[in-house]
Amino acid sequence: EAGVAQSPRYKIIEKRQSVAFWCNPISGHATLYWYQQILGQGPKLLIQFQNNGVVDDSQLPKDRFSAERLKGVDSTLKIQPAKLEDSAVYLCASSFVSGKYNEQFFGPGTRLTVL
Amino acid sequence: TQLLEQSPQFLSIQEGENLTVYCNSSSVFSSLQWYRQEPGEGPVLLVTVVTGGEVKKLKRLTFQFGDARKDSSLHITAAQPGDTGLYLCAGVVGAQKLVFGQGTRLTINP
Repeated sequence: EAGVAQSPRYKIIEKRQSVAFWCNPISGHATLYWYQQILGQGPKLLIQFQNNGVVDDSQLPKDRFSAERLKGVDSTLKIQPAKLEDSAVYLCASSFVSGKYNEQFFGPGTRLTVL
Repeated sequence: TQLLEQSPQFLSIQEGENLTVYCNSSSVFSSLQWYRQEPGEGPVLLVTVVTGGEVKKLKRLTFQFGDARKDSSLHITAAQPGDTGLYLCAGVVGAQKLVFGQGTRLTINP
């Protein structure tokens, strides 16, 4: 079974530029998550989709971050304009909608460096 | 805001030693998960503990959920270099939301 795919793996941009990340979840997984992991910290949830609807985006900085999941499969996360503090690894995860034990499967992440 | 504090944040020990990592919160979680993350990869689920006082074993790793479901521990017996990595605890909120601790970076020296 193929895992969660993310691209690009690395991205270096200058502040105020725009950047987009792509995620393809495991086939059949209805729930998709985007996390931000700053160096030395645990992942922080940015947004959660169930199919193509947003379940939780309470920690998404909406003035500069946006995300969409068209057709309930692939997803993109965009930052516009980027700030220095956005330097982090952006992780995508997916899970079945099932019961109370939520096993999330993570992709390898995109490492963003903002100069 | 539900927070999870892990300790220690960094741990470097010799192969064959035992160690314990702690995960503490003032909040109650419906369940708690432990993940391991290696450089350049996403976290991988090791275990989910659900019931207060529950103990689960995964080879040389023993996981315990506190009686009040606010804290957890991970004990590794006879650590090996392959155990090196970032260990993350995550509290499950509601049905599907995870709140992660800051992680414990473990290094096992041969």
